[in-house]
Amino acid sequence: DQQVKQNSPSLSVQEGRISILNCDYTNSMFDYFLWYKKYPAEGPTFLISISSIKDKNEDGRFTVFLNKSAKHLSLHIVPSQPGDSAVYFCAASWVNRDDKIIFGKGTRLHILP
Amino acid sequence: DGGITQSPKYLFRKEGQNVTLSCEQNLNHDAMYWYRQDPGQGLRLIYYSQIVNDFQKGDIAEGYSVSREKKESFPLTVTSAQKNPTAFYLCASSIRTGRYNSPLHFGNGTRLTVT
Repeated sequence: DQQVKQNSPSLSVQEGRISILNCDYTNSMFDYFLWYKKYPAEGPTFLISISSIKDKNEDGRFTVFLNKSAKHLSLHIVPSQPGDSAVYFCAASWVNRDDKIIFGKGTRLHILP
Repeated sequence: DGGITQSPKYLFRKEGQNVTLSCEQNLNHDAMYWYRQDPGQGLRLIYYSQIVNDFQKGDIAEGYSVSREKKESFPLTVTSAQKNPTAFYLCASSIRTGRYNSPLHFGNGTRLTVT
């Protein structure tokens, strides 16, 4: 049973517009969430994270929003750039299990010229 | 330049052979991990190690073995008992900070093909 779900396998966005990637989770004990970005034939790289005590975290063009009541988080990229074309993985971990991170299946983002 | 080195990038083996994937890090990280990625799937944890000479099974450890004799090295052996070994294997490391590990740093992966 998937605990972290990314229901959109792919997303296409015009360059310069906002990209919104969504992630849902089922385990209410999760309290730390991360986004990773992955290019083909490379390992994922850490993008941004958020603790459950916050509902928003911003880093440059990237903002992550957390809605605990809905068990939903989203990653906003503004403005979208060609180099943002990649697969984005949502991940979650929880207190007392800092050794494990649960990953979603990923969403492939295509930035269109 | 600090990072995680996985070698080789591509590996081909015949069915029934054991194969060992290398992972070395010079980040001085305590924790190391092995993940497997299959097409259209998320990353699934095979094994992890929080300190030298200690390691724990992840979600899909069957058919795999690891060792952690040195802090910087965490090799993964894919044994003949692994039913579907063809996959993209990712090694990662992180600093253990107590409540949460710091974010994972990944290597560039090894693509293993078994025929």
